Amino acid sequence: NAGVTQTPKFRILKIGQSMTLQCAQDMNHNYMYWYRQDPGMGLKLIYYSVGAGITDKGEVPNGYNVSRSTTEDFPLRLELAAPSQTSVYFCASSLTSGRANEQFFGPGTRLTVL
Amino acid sequence: AQSVTQLGSHVSVSEGALVLLRCNYSSSVPPYLFWYVQYPNQGLQLLLKYTTGATLVKGINGFEAEFKKSETSFHLTKPSAHMSDAAEYFCAVSDKESGGYQKVTFGTGTKLQVIP
Repeated sequence: NAGVTQTPKFRILKIGQSMTLQCAQDMNHNYMYWYRQDPGMGLKLIYYSVGAGITDKGEVPNGYNVSRSTTEDFPLRLELAAPSQTSVYFCASSLTSGRANEQFFGPGTRLTVL
Repeated sequence: AQSVTQLGSHVSVSEGALVLLRCNYSSSVPPYLFWYVQYPNQGLQLLLKYTTGATLVKGINGFEAEFKKSETSFHLTKPSAHMSDAAEYFCAVSDKESGGYQKVTFGTGTKLQVIP
């Protein structure tokens, strides 16, 4: 199994540009998450999905959109990129929603907005 | 609301020395606690977790953590540091939100440097 994969690994955007961060998992997990990681701030939840066709906002959703048309894929869309969106983005997945769950993380996408 | 505090954003130890990374939590319900490790340019991976039962939890790569309710702590230790332990370590507490997903609150992370 490849686990959770993310593309691209790195990207530089200009202010106002848009892009989609790709995330896929091959573990048949229903639950998927997008986090952003800023220095000294830990991970913050952007959006999550409990299954194909069902998504909802997390802690810091402004400036982002998601879709979940299949169990495997959970892309994150940035519209009108801003310098505040410079961050490392991690996609994660889990089998269930239980409190004892392990979340499985992708390798991350490092995004810089100039 | 749950929260996690990690004391020390950077910790340096000599190779072979004890590793101690500190984590304190706040939770209104019995906590489910995790330690994740992030190696350079990689995603987070689970080191160990505490849910219920034995308060001393053993994880991968020789790490262990002890849940102390009276001190609201979940410190991570390893008797002898290896160079390969250099990474960033995140303490986290898990809850289940009304939306039916697992809400995980992460600490701000501690970067461990191992000096040869």
